[in-house]
Amino acid sequence: SQKIEQNSEALNIQEGKTATLTCNYTNYSPAYLQWYRQDPGRGPVFLLLIRENEKEKRKERLKVTFDTTLKQSLFHITASQPADSATYLCALSSGTYKYIFGTGTRLKVLA
Amino acid sequence: GAGVSQTPSNKVTEKGKYVELRCDPISGHTALYWYRQSLGQGPEFLIYFQGTGAADDSGLPNDRFFAVRPEGSVSTLKIQRTERGDSAVYLCASSLTPGWGQGGTGELFFGEGSRLTVL
Repeated sequence: SQKIEQNSEALNIQEGKTATLTCNYTNYSPAYLQWYRQDPGRGPVFLLLIRENEKEKRKERLKVTFDTTLKQSLFHITASQPADSATYLCALSSGTYKYIFGTGTRLKVLA
Repeated sequence: GAGVSQTPSNKVTEKGKYVELRCDPISGHTALYWYRQSLGQGPEFLIYFQGTGAADDSGLPNDRFFAVRPEGSVSTLKIQRTERGDSAVYLCASSLTPGWGQGGTGELFFGEGSRLTVL
């Protein structure tokens, strides 16, 4: 069955460092991969989309990579700030309307 | 409103009762989704509407769950004979369709969710 895995343990990093989150998938061939941010008690908020034919995408301090051979996406936040503390979710689509979400990774940036 | 609106934000009910959760999507968004999120988990797909019709209801866990979108805008998720295992946050999202064309991002716009607690 399709499986999407993200770091189950919380990631704590020091302010100013680069945070790297992973999203691994099996038994799936996504055409699109999105990353969302979710704050406690709120709905997820879209951050970035990367397509299967793209290796890397950047937006301000965010960078996403997509390796279809390794079946993995990496999400980087450079120069991290305490305000970046949240849960980050990856979501995959094979190209249809259906999005399958990972379990999310909780990031805490320490001041 | 500017965003996706969900009501109620919190609902506490007793086992066996009937519950309705409402979602008001962003104006002009033809696609509407319901997801369920349990503590520490990612959103789990329940149902997708394209306009008024349920294009995919494969995520509904059983026949106690039903959703409608009669005029292609507001949607209601209905849960009959609630069970303690139904306790979760129910998220609604809307998007433009098609979301992938012409450089689109396929972005889902989520509401704040309805937290359901079944005692």
